[in-house]
Amino acid sequence: EIVLTQSPGTLSLSPGERATLSCRASQSISSSYLAWYQQKPGQAPRLLIYGVSSRATGIPDRFSGSGSGADFTLVISRLEPEDFAVYYCQHYGSSRAFGQGTKVEIK
Amino acid sequence: EVQLVESGGGLVQPGRSLRLSCTASGFTFGDSAMSWFRQAPGKGLEWVGFIRIKAYGATTEYAASVKDRFMISRDDSKSIAYLQMNSLKTEDTAVYYCTKYSSGLAWSWGQGTLVTVSS
Repeated sequence: EIVLTQSPGTLSLSPGERATLSCRASQSISSSYLAWYQQKPGQAPRLLIYGVSSRATGIPDRFSGSGSGADFTLVISRLEPEDFAVYYCQHYGSSRAFGQGTKVEIK
Repeated sequence: EVQLVESGGGLVQPGRSLRLSCTASGFTFGDSAMSWFRQAPGKGLEWVGFIRIKAYGATTEYAASVKDRFMISRDDSKSIAYLQMNSLKTEDTAVYYCTKYSSGLAWSWGQGTLVTVSS
């Protein structure tokens, strides 16, 4: 079973700053089955990134995903007010496991 | 526009059953796999299970935590997916989300319905 560990738990940043979120898997993820979801308070999650680096429809290009093997990163190049939320990584291969989430909060 | 509306949540005693419904619109329901996820209060996301389209036998897969207790089904004529939950436990308390599912990804989500398992 693959376990995903996200860091940091909370990221305190100001609008306009760059956010870097990490997702580390307990073993190498084959076939790039790594996705990122965004969840705002009181709302359902939304798919942001799939296949490590492909943006879902309508996702702005300030969101980018990268990584390989067991280490993955989500970068938000310049935080907009609407980007403050919780972000989850997920292995959508056999395990369907989620990381515990990183909260991006306003500093 | 894809719309998914869950219903059927509520308060239920441990050991009892509950059936959730997910009414879909805005896409060809019969051509889409459907999945359920859940989120315990203040916690992260958990995949519950999914159902394939009829062309693939409408077969299902489940998380180990709900296997043999939960069952997903679909009625393509009504564009509804169901989550039948039996032998409920307090740890099943969560918001349950229905999603349009493809290639292992949840592309569109409903607003969720809260299930509380408590005596």
